[in-house]
Amino acid sequence: DSGVTQTPKHLITATGQRVTLRCSPRSGDLSVYWYQQSLDQGLQFLIQYYNGEERAKGNILERFSAQQFPDLHSELNLSSLELGDSALYFCASSVGVANSYEQYFGPGTRLTVT
Amino acid sequence: GENVEQHPSTLSVQEGDSAVIKCTYSDSASNYFPWYKQELGKGPQLIIDIRSNVGEKKDQRIAVTLNKTAKHFSLHITETQPEDSAVYFCAAPRGGGFKTIFGAGTRLFVKA
Repeated sequence: DSGVTQTPKHLITATGQRVTLRCSPRSGDLSVYWYQQSLDQGLQFLIQYYNGEERAKGNILERFSAQQFPDLHSELNLSSLELGDSALYFCASSVGVANSYEQYFGPGTRLTVT
Repeated sequence: GENVEQHPSTLSVQEGDSAVIKCTYSDSASNYFPWYKQELGKGPQLIIDIRSNVGEKKDQRIAVTLNKTAKHFSLHITETQPEDSAVYFCAAPRGGGFKTIFGAGTRLFVKA
């Protein structure tokens, strides 16, 4: 158990809908990262927050947005969903802001868009 | 550019044999190289990492070697066991930044 929690574990929704994925980092970690993993694909970095502020952006679509709250939990919002958005979404956390800190991953949320 | 190439994509070994997975990165400023193991239905788990001020690091049956000149690093698993079967990912952070680039993954099968 990494100490990172994600909810829900599974999510099934229809095209055009909007969903929110939630992540709680390990105790003491200030950075939260979001990744997308499509079927048989690697991990694609989406976005990073550190202590409530956005610090880095990767291949995140404009239909997606995220935020980190004062209690350090983070939410990833996916809107106008398309079939191609079906994937595993992972959250990771680390103690520091730089990418040279160890990242600990949550169990993921499996999103299925029908 | 930013790129991490990982080979092989699939690796099958007999229990007890060694397994080696190699990654090549492009950003010469990268200074931290973690390896993750992902079992079916689970999130990636950090298993070992190495920083650019050392050339080799070992933890029981797992070792990682780094060649900064050639910009490649490798994961070595000795005395493989069936429970080592998983997908392994290497990663390299962009130097001076916050983005981490992951390799495409290696699916390791350990046959009993």
